[in-house]
Amino acid sequence: AQSVTQLDSQVPVFEEAPVELRCNYSSSVSVYLFWYVQYPNQGLQLLLKYLSGSTLVKGINGFEAEFNKSQTSFHLRKPSVHISDTAEYFCAVTKRYTGFQKLVFGTGTRLLVSP
Amino acid sequence: ETGVTQTPRHLVMGMTNKKSLKCEQHLGHNAMYWYKQSAKKPLELMFVYSLEERVENNSVPSRFSPECPNSSHLFLHLHTLQPEDSALYLCASSQDRSGDNEKLFFGSGTQLSVL
Repeated sequence: AQSVTQLDSQVPVFEEAPVELRCNYSSSVSVYLFWYVQYPNQGLQLLLKYLSGSTLVKGINGFEAEFNKSQTSFHLRKPSVHISDTAEYFCAVTKRYTGFQKLVFGTGTRLLVSP
Repeated sequence: ETGVTQTPRHLVMGMTNKKSLKCEQHLGHNAMYWYKQSAKKPLELMFVYSLEERVENNSVPSRFSPECPNSSHLFLHLHTLQPEDSALYLCASSQDRSGDNEKLFFGSGTQLSVL
C-alpha cells in the first residue's frame, strides 16, 4: 500500500519569499505523484503531476516539484509567493497503471502568506 | 467553475434525519468518487463508481449509501449519522482510462454538521 507524509501542517511565509512544502511517500511499486491545492471554501485543484520522464515538473501558478526516487520525495517549491497562494496543499500518490485513480492523500500543509 | 457541482453547500442534520448529497458533473467523465475530508486527517476515499458500477467501497459504514443513476450524477444518501460524521464531503470525477492516470476534478464540497 502507498502512504504520504507531509511533515509540516502549516508554513508561514512573507510575500515574495521562496517556499518549499515537503512531501515524502512510501510504496513498494512504481507510482504517480500529484500536488493539489484547496483554496478556502473550494474543492481541490490539480497543481501538477509526475507520471514519468523529467523529474522536475512545472505546474500552474509558478509552482514546480521535483521527484527524487532515492529519497522518496516530491517537494513543492515556488521561488516567490503571493498573498493569493494562501491555501491548503495536498500531496498524493497512486500506483501506476491502475484503471482509475485511487489516490492516497497526505494530511495537507497550510501555506500562510503574509504581507 | 470546475465542471463538478455539489448541492447543498452546507447541511445541518440531526442523528435521526435522512438526507441526500447530490453531485453532478458536466465534463463527460465516466468515473465518479466520494471523498470525506475531516480536520487534521487525510482525505478518505469512500466510494468509486466507474461506468455507473461501484468499483470501490472503502469499508464505509452502511449509514452512508451511494447511488449513481447515470454517469453524470452521483448521490450520497445519509441516515442515522453520528456526530463524528461531520466533515466536508467532496465529489470528484475523472476520465477512467486504464494505465493512464488523468487528474481528478473536484466539486466545492458539502459541509455536513451532525448534531
